[in-house]
Amino acid sequence: KNEVEQSPQNLTAQEGEFITINCSYSVGISALHWLQQHPGGGIVSLFMLSSGKKKHGRLIATINIQEKHSSLHITASHPRDSAVYICAVYGATNKLIFGTGTLLAVQP
Amino acid sequence: GAVVSQHPSRVICKSGTSVKIECRSLDFQATTMFWYRQFPKQSLMLMATSNEGSKATYEQGVEKDKFLINHASLTLSTLTVTSAHPEDSSFYICSAVLDLTLHFGNGTRLTVT
Repeated sequence: KNEVEQSPQNLTAQEGEFITINCSYSVGISALHWLQQHPGGGIVSLFMLSSGKKKHGRLIATINIQEKHSSLHITASHPRDSAVYICAVYGATNKLIFGTGTLLAVQP
Repeated sequence: GAVVSQHPSRVICKSGTSVKIECRSLDFQATTMFWYRQFPKQSLMLMATSNEGSKATYEQGVEKDKFLINHASLTLSTLTVTSAHPEDSSFYICSAVLDLTLHFGNGTRLTVT
């Protein structure tokens, strides 16, 4: 079992839909990152969380430390949101542990 | 604009040759950079931590003599894949941290024929 699990692995949505991607982890962490990987491979950091909730534009990220769970929400999804979304945590060794990613396709 | 620049974006080389990948921090000094490898449809795997002025720290299972890392200045780390084999074909990406935010290069897709 991976230390960082994401669900779903693949997600297809219609433009405008509300999207949720989940991340569960089994290790103690100091922080959690949500990353977006574009089809060409480039990666952009969306959020870093250690508690609570953060919002940036149409993106919202939440984390529940007790439940070892984080969610990434996208409101009013758009085809340009199509990408792979990756959850990564800083574990006890202070190294990033990556989830396998969620491939999101938003259809017009 | 880009905070971390990685070059080249794509490279094709023949078995047995060596390939150098550069990772530069733009407008900031990065004493530490990270090198990752990603196989198709898999997550990123940390290969090594590059430390300016000292030896890189390699993850278990990563051959340091095969994947040479040099961090000779505060803005440049290089990864050299020596004596490349087809199984080294992969996507290599570097990152650095600025103001608690991760910044990634655009990655290098290496194909060894």
